[in-house]
Amino acid sequence: GAGVSQTPSNKVTEKGKYVELRCDPISGHTALYWYRQSLGQGPEFLIYFQGTGAADDSGLPNDRFFAVRPEGSVSTLKIQRTERGDSAVYLCASSLTPMGETQYFGPGTRLLVL
Amino acid sequence: AQKITQTQPGMFVQEKEAVTLDCTYDTSDPSYGLFWYKQPSSGEMIFLIYQGSYDQQNATEGRYSLNFQKARKSANLVISASQLGDSAMYFCAMREGRGGSNYKLTFGKGTLLTVNP
Repeated sequence: GAGVSQTPSNKVTEKGKYVELRCDPISGHTALYWYRQSLGQGPEFLIYFQGTGAADDSGLPNDRFFAVRPEGSVSTLKIQRTERGDSAVYLCASSLTPMGETQYFGPGTRLLVL
Repeated sequence: AQKITQTQPGMFVQEKEAVTLDCTYDTSDPSYGLFWYKQPSSGEMIFLIYQGSYDQQNATEGRYSLNFQKARKSANLVISASQLGDSAMYFCAMREGRGGSNYKLTFGKGTLLTVNP
């Protein structure tokens, strides 16, 4: 079946602009995760959804970052007033349930803030 | 302290030979899981293998095996019969805890493996 998909694959924006990054999880997966991967680093946890609700958003760096999953499937990560330091690869993952299941990752969105 | 440490920034191996990628971890939770992911230049994180803290035997998946030494808190990945397509970044990751807290992955910094023909 189809894996996790993310759009756009690349996004270039200017400092101060607003961006939205989309994640479409594997069909039937109830748990969805966002991670951020800076250059030369491993991914770092941002937020986790179980169904429609954000069960843990402790990894979001500040209040410019927000994510939604209104129907329990597709999720959107929203970044307001982007800064150059937001440049990174944003990875989305999903799992069948959150309880000890393997997380399957999408190809990521490469965000560059100029 | 780093929860996941990968001490090899880069590794080289000849095609068809075996290679071991090191990973040590730090946790006080008795229940945890260890994962290895492969990240080719395309960027996607590909799941390779999983080892649970209570698993009695080392995990194996095809050419991948995990050398789990619990007392030493190490979970090294062994790739046998390396192929050119194995050239990629490899990440070790850990998930701690049980039940509702058992979801967040913590990653190491990765090891870049290059397979030479």
